[in-house]
Amino acid sequence: AQRVTQPEKLLSVFKGAPVELKCNYSYSGSPELFWYVQYSRQRLQLLLRHISRESIKGFTADLNKGETSFHLKKPFAQEEDSAMYYCAGSGNTGKLIFGQGTTLQVKP
Amino acid sequence: GAGVSQSPSNKVTEKGKDVELRCDPISGHTALYWYRQSLGQGLEFLIYFQGNSAPDKSGLPSDRFSAERTGGSVSTLTIQRTQQEDSAVYLCASSLGGGGAVYEQYFGPGTRLTVT
Repeated sequence: AQRVTQPEKLLSVFKGAPVELKCNYSYSGSPELFWYVQYSRQRLQLLLRHISRESIKGFTADLNKGETSFHLKKPFAQEEDSAMYYCAGSGNTGKLIFGQGTTLQVKP
Repeated sequence: GAGVSQSPSNKVTEKGKDVELRCDPISGHTALYWYRQSLGQGLEFLIYFQGNSAPDKSGLPSDRFSAERTGGSVSTLTIQRTQQEDSAVYLCASSLGGGGAVYEQYFGPGTRLTVT
């Protein structure tokens, strides 16, 4: 079965510290992987997708097929990064399978 | 342009009643998705519409749940005989969709359903 796992419910770091939000997946074929973010009182929005290989708001994520991981990283966390982050996978229909989500709390 | 809109934003209903939730996708988007966000289950896929194809209903949790999409645009998610475990935020998303390519999904603000 297709599955996306985020092992941490909450990650708390100080401003300026490095951040790594973990994501592992179990998918047949070659899924597309995404990170979505939901800031307080805002709608869910796409942060980045593995196929585009770009850095958004200083975040990057590398697909590691050997470890079936797609961890989200940022070298220096900012307070405005505090939000709920969801890792998601998609087959060719586009429907998303989400992980449980990780709340990132960046303390001043 | 206008994003995905959903109505109502909040709905409180009594156990056993039927509810209808509405989604207006972005104009021109052929794919429409419904998801459910709840404390215990996280974000779950419910149903997917793509153009005129038969919908993918594989995520619907029971036969009390149904959805339709009229004219390839507006969609309505109906929950019959609501139960307390149906309480959740129901999210709608749309994308350009289709053809085996994966497009960015744009999410609506959600409908918070509370079953008392």
